[in-house]
Amino acid sequence: DQQVKQNSPSLSVQEGRISILNCDYTNSMFDYFLWYKKYPAEGPTFLISISSIKDKNEDGRFTVFLNKSAKHLSLHIVPSQPGDSAVYFCAASDTGGFKTIFGAGTRLFVKA
Amino acid sequence: NAGVTQTPKFRILKIGQSMTLQCTQDMNHNYMYWYRQDPGMGLKLIYYSVGAGITDKGEVPNGYNVSRSTTEDFPLRLELAAPSQTSVYFCASSGAGGSTQPQHFGDGTRLSIL
Repeated sequence: DQQVKQNSPSLSVQEGRISILNCDYTNSMFDYFLWYKKYPAEGPTFLISISSIKDKNEDGRFTVFLNKSAKHLSLHIVPSQPGDSAVYFCAASDTGGFKTIFGAGTRLFVKA
Repeated sequence: NAGVTQTPKFRILKIGQSMTLQCTQDMNHNYMYWYRQDPGMGLKLIYYSVGAGITDKGEVPNGYNVSRSTTEDFPLRLELAAPSQTSVYFCASSGAGGSTQPQHFGDGTRLSIL
């Protein structure tokens, strides 16, 4: 039972265009969401997060949108750069607990 | 800045052997986690710890054991290695705030059981 789903295994985008990575969750107890980025042979690194009291959080080229009614969040990268090519993991947790549930990841290719 | 350090980076085991994956962090974080990542899958939580002397099971704890005698170290033990435990293992830590705090990951241990 996947509580956090990233239905697109991969995404290819031209340099300079927008990348949109999607994530759906099923557990209504989740109230905190994070995105991690992972390069080959390295551990994931934290990118951006959002609390359920917000519907948008922005950090430079990265913006995360949260639609609680649809149990959906998305990560927008504008403009995309070749260095953004990596696997992106969506993760969800409830603030009362200690566990974070990760999606399967989306591999982003940014073409120069 | 060392952050989270995992050793070894690679290991091949025979079925039935045992080994310990080491994890140490220098950020004085209370929370530590062990995950496994299988191909095409997300990170699955094996065990976690909220402080020295306190550990608890995650989603996939069977076949593994952990201990947390110090704040810095959180070793993962495989007692009887099985092919199903072939995976990449990541250790992570986070500061006070539990699951709302970003986790800092090590670079992983790639383990093959043959």
